[in-house]
Amino acid sequence: AQSVAQPEDQVNVAEGNPLTVKCTYSVSGNPYLFWYVQYPNRGLQFLLKYITGDNLVKGSYGFEAEFNKSQTSFHLKKPSALVSDSALYFCAVRDASGGSYIPTFGRGTSLIVHP
Amino acid sequence: NAGVTQTPKFQVLKTGQSMTLQCAQDMNHEYMSWYRQDPGMGLRLIHYSVGAGITDQGEVPNGYNVSRSTTEDFPLRLLSAAPSQTSVYFCASSYSGTSGIPDTQYFGPGTRLTVL
Repeated sequence: AQSVAQPEDQVNVAEGNPLTVKCTYSVSGNPYLFWYVQYPNRGLQFLLKYITGDNLVKGSYGFEAEFNKSQTSFHLKKPSALVSDSALYFCAVRDASGGSYIPTFGRGTSLIVHP
Repeated sequence: NAGVTQTPKFQVLKTGQSMTLQCAQDMNHEYMSWYRQDPGMGLRLIHYSVGAGITDQGEVPNGYNVSRSTTEDFPLRLLSAAPSQTSVYFCASSYSGTSGIPDTQYFGPGTRLTVL
């Protein structure tokens, strides 16, 4: 079985400060991990993914995420937040060992960046 | 490419009515899926398809039917609408390419459904 947890419903950060949105996962085998962003009244957009290789993954809009196998985490980070980063962020995981072709999504974290 | 398209954008139904939510993609993706999004619940998988003629149930399939007669289209049918099906519905598609691994999902803009 595969599952993902986003422990924070909301993250508040001041513009210009670094931001972190947390994600932990559970899979039987190796994980494929994804971050998506949803702006109001829009569908989800892909930000970045970890399949294999370097633990630090860089994605769109200056976001990056670090895969930590020992802590089963894949936290999303950005060095300097912008007001325009305010949105709903979803972490997703798919078990690479097979049996599931579709990833499982977390409940989402609302990021609010204050001017 | 238009990507993933969904129609209608908004729909209001009365309890007991049936309807079909349309989803189409023009990227030749093998995998397609339907999710519903409810406040505090994230995205929950309703049904998915790994190719034309092949569908399977997700986490919350009750009350919904799907079929996949072509690679492009993946309609979602509500058999007898209930207020509990009030939600925002998203269709997504993905491809495996040469790796055989379904990868990044591309989402449609969503259908906001209200059942009275």
